[in-house]
Amino acid sequence: AQTVTQSQPEMSVQEAETVTLSCTYDTSESDYYLFWYKQPPSRQMILVIRQEAYKQQNATENRFSVNFQKAAKSFSLKISDSQLGDAAMYFCAYRRAISGTYKYIFGTGTRLKVLA
Amino acid sequence: DTGVSQDPRHKITKRGQNVTFRCDPISEHNRLYWYRQTLGQGPEFLTYFQNEAQLEKSRLLSDRFSAERPKGSFSTLEIQRTEQGDSAMYLCASSIFIDRVTEKLFFGSGTQLSVL
Repeated sequence: AQTVTQSQPEMSVQEAETVTLSCTYDTSESDYYLFWYKQPPSRQMILVIRQEAYKQQNATENRFSVNFQKAAKSFSLKISDSQLGDAAMYFCAYRRAISGTYKYIFGTGTRLKVLA
Repeated sequence: DTGVSQDPRHKITKRGQNVTFRCDPISEHNRLYWYRQTLGQGPEFLTYFQNEAQLEKSRLLSDRFSAERPKGSFSTLEIQRTEQGDSAMYLCASSIFIDRVTEKLFFGSGTQLSVL
């Protein structure tokens, strides 16, 4: 069974600084997708960034980038120039790429606090 | 496009009562997911619909839980004979493929269930 582990329950970062959130996963599959979702107090999960396992290049979305280490099964999220609006719960998620499977597996989350 | 809508936002019920939640997905989305999230945990997959067909169901979904998506539009999740362990936030998500392989999930704000 696939699992996703986020070992940092809470992280803090000063506004305008950079922070990295960690995520590791376990799978025997070779093809899959990885995601970072943000859940602000409004509770609505918002996709931050996604990575296809077959791509070696790390995904980037503006201030958000990932460090995808497939052999180590590691998928960390780097937030640059942190803003107050980045404060939220961040969830790492995994999804198999095989047709006919649908579920996303989420980690337990990391609460990010941004200090003014 | 008003996003994924869930109703009610909060539900308080007594143990043993039945409850029903509704999810209205984004109109052109044919995929719909239900997840459950307890405090301090990430969302856990419950079930998945493609149009009106329920294609995957988690072992978490006991016989007391049933989900429907008549006509492939809105979906309902019913819990019969509620137990205190059912207290959680129930999240709905719909999705669309933005290219041949890239699925994008859109989450609702959830229904918070409290069983007394």
